[in-house]
Amino acid sequence: AQSVSQHNHHVILSEAASLELGCNYSYGGTVNLFWYVQYPGQHLQLLLKYFSGDPLVKGIKGFEAEFIKSKFSFNLRKPSVQWSDTAEYFCAVNALISPDSNYQLIWGAGTKLIIKP
Amino acid sequence: EAGVVQSPRYKIIEKKQPVAFWCNPISGHNTLYWYRQNLGQGPELLIRYENEEAVDDSQLPKDRFSAERLKGVDSTLKIQPAELGDSAVYLCASSLESTGGPYEQYFGPGTRLTVT
Repeated sequence: AQSVSQHNHHVILSEAASLELGCNYSYGGTVNLFWYVQYPGQHLQLLLKYFSGDPLVKGIKGFEAEFIKSKFSFNLRKPSVQWSDTAEYFCAVNALISPDSNYQLIWGAGTKLIIKP
Repeated sequence: EAGVVQSPRYKIIEKKQPVAFWCNPISGHNTLYWYRQNLGQGPELLIRYENEEAVDDSQLPKDRFSAERLKGVDSTLKIQPAELGDSAVYLCASSLESTGGPYEQYFGPGTRLTVT
């Protein structure tokens, strides 16, 4: 079965630290990749997405992610985090399971990020 | 642009009782999804609609769960009877899709269900 792995379930950082959250997927075909964020008490929001083209994708609030096809990875990065980045981050992979099927969005378990002021 | 609207936001019921959740997608979005999210996990797809048609309900526990999307707009998800294990957040998402893909899904705030 296709799966998405987020390596860290909890990450605690101080403000201004650099962030990298790992995401690996198991599907070898055509994929589209997403990072969603859920701030405390709010709904899931799209942070950034990769469909095609430049594998380095820039999203909102200074986040970026790099698609490395050979490593089946789509890691999320931010050079300097802020207290307001405290949230849960989800990686999701939209995979075309077969030519006759629809895209299916497969989610990682999420990483809870806590930024200490 | 209004986002995806869900109600209620919270629901507490006793086991064996029925419960229903309502979703109004973003105007013009033809595809609607219901997900269940358990604590500490990512969302799991329950059912996906393209307009009025349920195109993927393989993960929907059909013995107790049902869903409908009349007129291809609003949708209702029902559980009857509820079990303790149904306690979770139920998310609705919508997207505008046509042949070719891929598409971005927009999420509602969810309904947090507690079954006692």
